[in-house]
Amino acid sequence: NAGVTQTPKFQVLKTGQSMTLQCAQDMNHEYMSWYRQDPGMGLRLIHYSVGAGITDQGEVPNGYNVSRSTTEDFPLRLLSAAPSQTSVYFCASSYGSGGSGANVLTFGAGSRLTVL
Amino acid sequence: TQLLEQSPQFLSIQEGENLTVYCNSSSVFSSLQWYRQEPGEGPVLLVTVVTGGEVKKLKRLTFQFGDARKDSSLHITAAQPGDTGLYLCAGASAGGTSYGKLTFGQGTILTVHP
Repeated sequence: NAGVTQTPKFQVLKTGQSMTLQCAQDMNHEYMSWYRQDPGMGLRLIHYSVGAGITDQGEVPNGYNVSRSTTEDFPLRLLSAAPSQTSVYFCASSYGSGGSGANVLTFGAGSRLTVL
Repeated sequence: TQLLEQSPQFLSIQEGENLTVYCNSSSVFSSLQWYRQEPGEGPVLLVTVVTGGEVKKLKRLTFQFGDARKDSSLHITAAQPGDTGLYLCAGASAGGTSYGKLTFGQGTILTVHP
């Protein structure tokens, strides 16, 4: 049971380059989300999705795009990387059954991105 | 924007000591969770509390949700080196479905020395 799989684990970009962080889950979870983790700031929500074809912005969405064409996949795109986007990115998923179960997040192992 | 203030940010103790981590907010949460994160890995859920005043125990860890559902605490009894890690509290906003969107505290880095 793979859970939530993120690729790549590490990436170095130059300012202005674009890239896509991949996220896939095999638990048939309805809800998926992307967080970034910076020292001393916990995790902050970038974008989230409540199902295929439905996405919305979180707390820090600027500079990032998402799409959800299938239940399993939720890629995060950086359109023009900036040093401020240097961070560790986590993808998470949860059941869409409502109630507190929707908040039981399963996280991937993270993708560490450095923008020079 | 809901905020969760977590304290202390760093905690360095000796094996066998007790400790408490606090998570406070001015906002009401429908549920509050505690996660533990190891280096190079994603956070892993320890517990979810949903009822004001609720207390849950997980071996030597005791979690409490405040009566007003605005704060929570994590107490570890007789800490062991294996408890070392980053502890995160996270809250789901009250009123309707949160869709898995959580507000996280800043985290507490716990180091337990043998």
